[in-house]
Amino acid sequence: KAGVTQTPRYLIKTRGQQVTLSCSPISGHRSVSWYQQTPGQGLQFLFEYFSETQRNKGNFPGRFSGRQFSNSRSEMNVSTLELGDSALYLCASSMDRGIYNEQFFGPGTRLTVL
Amino acid sequence: QKEVEQNSGPLSVPEGAIASLNCTYSDRGSQSFFWYRQYSGKSPELIMSIYSNGDKEDGRFTAQLNKASQYVSLLIRDSQPSDSATYLCAVNLYLGFKTIFGAGTRLFVKA
Repeated sequence: KAGVTQTPRYLIKTRGQQVTLSCSPISGHRSVSWYQQTPGQGLQFLFEYFSETQRNKGNFPGRFSGRQFSNSRSEMNVSTLELGDSALYLCASSMDRGIYNEQFFGPGTRLTVL
Repeated sequence: QKEVEQNSGPLSVPEGAIASLNCTYSDRGSQSFFWYRQYSGKSPELIMSIYSNGDKEDGRFTAQLNKASQYVSLLIRDSQPSDSATYLCAVNLYLGFKTIFGAGTRLFVKA
């Protein structure tokens, strides 16, 4: 079974631009979560989607948004990029079987904002 | 108080020893607990999940959960240099559709 895939793997943008990252979950997984990882803050929860609905959101500004499609693929968008948005963005998928919510991560997208 | 706390380390153990990694969490209603291993430059990899009090063993790894003390631990027996990585403790909040990660403990296994 193929794992979680994320595209692109690397991105370089300049301040003020916007970026869209894509995540394809493991086949059969309907829950997709997004995380930001930086050396200083660790893994921070961005948002979680299930059946095209955002069920929870972390403490990030409105510049960070996401969506999920009917095939469970998900995208996240960051508008008006800031230098502090440079990070590894990770997507994780799970089957969402109640409390048995094991998440599996994709390889991540490394975003550099200049 | 952070929702999930781990000793950042680094924790250094000799090859063949037992490495003990600890984690505490603040949400008493938490139901699901996970340990991930992350090598430098890679994404986290799930190595253990535990849902009820007690021990759960998988090969050289043992996860221990004590909900009354809000404490989760991971033991790595016969530690190998290839176990050198950052270990992340993760807690799924009760019905919150949200998993909170600790900052991670860096483990070094010396050959």
